[in-house]
Amino acid sequence: TQLLEQSPQFLSIQEGENLTVYCNSSSVFSSLQWYRQEPGEGPVLLVTVVTGGEVKKLKRLTFQFGDARKDSSLHITAAQPGDTGLYLCAGAIGTYKYIFGTGTRLKVLA
Amino acid sequence: DAGVIQSPRHEVTEMGQEVTLRCKPISGHNSLFWYRQTMMRGLELLIYFNNNVPIDDSGMPEDRFSAKMPNASFSTLKIQPSEPRDSAVYFCASKVTGVNTEAFFGQGTRLTVV
Repeated sequence: TQLLEQSPQFLSIQEGENLTVYCNSSSVFSSLQWYRQEPGEGPVLLVTVVTGGEVKKLKRLTFQFGDARKDSSLHITAAQPGDTGLYLCAGAIGTYKYIFGTGTRLKVLA
Repeated sequence: DAGVIQSPRHEVTEMGQEVTLRCKPISGHNSLFWYRQTMMRGLELLIYFNNNVPIDDSGMPEDRFSAKMPNASFSTLKIQPSEPRDSAVYFCASKVTGVNTEAFFGQGTRLTVV
């Protein structure tokens, strides 16, 4: 069974702090996506990483795909209350199927 | 575009009743997915349609679950009979077919079976 473990499971930090969320698996993925989900809403895609070692930046968010394409990290610089939400990674299996991670619930306090 | 539209947003039903969840994908998207989200199991793929044809239903829990896509603008997920363990948030997502194209999720239907 392919599994994507995310850590930490929960994170509560003060505004302005930095944080890193990890997504790990023993399986190799052809690509990996990160989503943010707010209460009462569906997940919204943040980024897709495809190449081993790839780094992508989205304003204060930095995403990295592991060299072996088995893991990924999301780093947020100077977190803001608007960053609060559930962060999900999803690894691609084949051309259409994604295995979703266990999720990291982030709360940024003002 | 209004995005992926799901109805109802909330459904409370008694065990044994039939439940039908509805989804209108984004116009022009030819891939449609039904997911289920629970605290215990996270987000799980139930079924995938491409050009209205079910391609992968390996995630459908059991025969009580069925899904249809009669045309490009409408899909249903039916549970008959419903059980308390079916309580979850059900999401529909659509996208243009292709590797790594963006999937857009609806707001979900929160189902409670009592």
